[in-house]
Formats: sequence, structure tokens, C-alpha cells
Amino acid sequence: SQQGEEDPQALSIQEGENATMNCSYKTSINNLQWYRQNSGRGLVHLILIRSNEREKHSGRLRVTLDTSKKSSSLLITASRAADTASYFCATDPNAGGTSYGKLTFGQGTILTVHP
Amino acid sequence: EADIYQTPRYLVIGTGKKITLECSQTMGHDKMYWYQQDPGMELHLIHYSYGVNSTEKGDLSSESTVSRIRTEHFPLTLESARPSHTSQYLCASSEYRRSSYNSPLHFGNGTRLTVT
Repeated sequence: SQQGEEDPQALSIQEGENATMNCSYKTSINNLQWYRQNSGRGLVHLILIRSNEREKHSGRLRVTLDTSKKSSSLLITASRAADTASYFCATDPNAGGTSYGKLTFGQGTILTVHP
Repeated sequence: EADIYQTPRYLVIGTGKKITLECSQTMGHDKMYWYQQDPGMELHLIHYSYGVNSTEKGDLSSESTVSRIRTEHFPLTLESARPSHTSQYLCASSEYRRSSYNSPLHFGNGTRLTVT
């Protein structure tokens, strides 16, 4: 199966609530990235966390990485209707310490934030 | 958003036709990629390039071909389109970094291809 698997597949919340999405992967990585995709558009990079980092923040986003469990989570705090989108994790596999830039994407979590 | 452009945005074409999906970026990125994405599904890498005259096939087998004659341009060609090629095709680029850490991908808005 695919390198990145995300959970849940779909998440529906009210504005102001927090949204948490999880990603699991199989092989060792250089870094893990999260992307957002609005309907009918390309993906937009949100945040990158390196394999030697455990937590990273960017605005209302908080990402954690647990390399022992091969998992990551993305938390969006105080969600807004404009956060409605699909969210993908992508892993950059570790090939002997070199990154070839061939990201492997999960199947995504569809987030719906109701106003 | 990033300066990477894909044309056309939508294409409906009959079986057997030859098509070329265009992708251009103005950021001077060395690395470029083509991903295929079915609705509601994950992305699959079908082609990538590390620079001019460098192209490799990705993890998902594809009947398409690519070329990289100029840094900014990475077109994808299907010699004979079939209904099974119906999908969204996303082009991306990234900056080369002399380290083990990859830089983020910048994506175009995609071409949604329908083969009838």
C-alpha cells in the first residue's frame, strides 16, 4: 500500500473548533511535509518537519512527528470556513542520507469547516 | 501562490488523439515533476526531472512521455489518448538544495483531462 496513509479520510467541524489529521508512513524519511489542496486547484505547501524535529508551528498550524511510530499529526487551531480543503501529508524517503525529491503523498483528509 | 503555470486547465479529447500538456515555471527551479491524481485520491509521481536533458519515470507506470529542453519548461505528451488516461495531471517544481533535505514542491493548478 502507499507510503503515507491519512486518518480520518473526512472530517467535518464547526468554525472555531480544532481539527486534527494524522499521517502514518512505512519507511525512514528525511522529512515530512503537509500540503493543502482547494477543490480543483493544485497543492500548496504548508509546513515541513525534518526527521530530527519533533514539533513545529506555523501560525495556527502545529505539526508533530514521531519517527519511532512513523506517524505525524497536523493540528489546525481555531478553524475557519476558509480552511475547508483537502490536506495531504507527503514523505521524502531517506535514501542513504540523500533526498531525491520524490515525495510520496497520502490519500488526504477532506476537511469541511461549517460557518 | 507559486509561479508555475499549466495549460490547458481543462481538456476534453477523443480517443487516439495526441496531446501535450504544458508546464512552465519562472522560479528557475532545477527539479520538476508530473503527478497524476484521480478525484479524491492520492497523487502518484509519473515523471520527474533534475535538470535540462534529465528525465526519469516515476513510481506509477505511465504511457506518457516528457522532455526537458529548457529549465523552465516540462511538457508531458500522450501519443494516443485513451479513456484510461482520464485524470488530473499536476506539475510541480522545487529548488535544488545541496543537502539531504528536500525543498517544498510548488504546484501548478493542474490540467483536468477527459478522454472520450
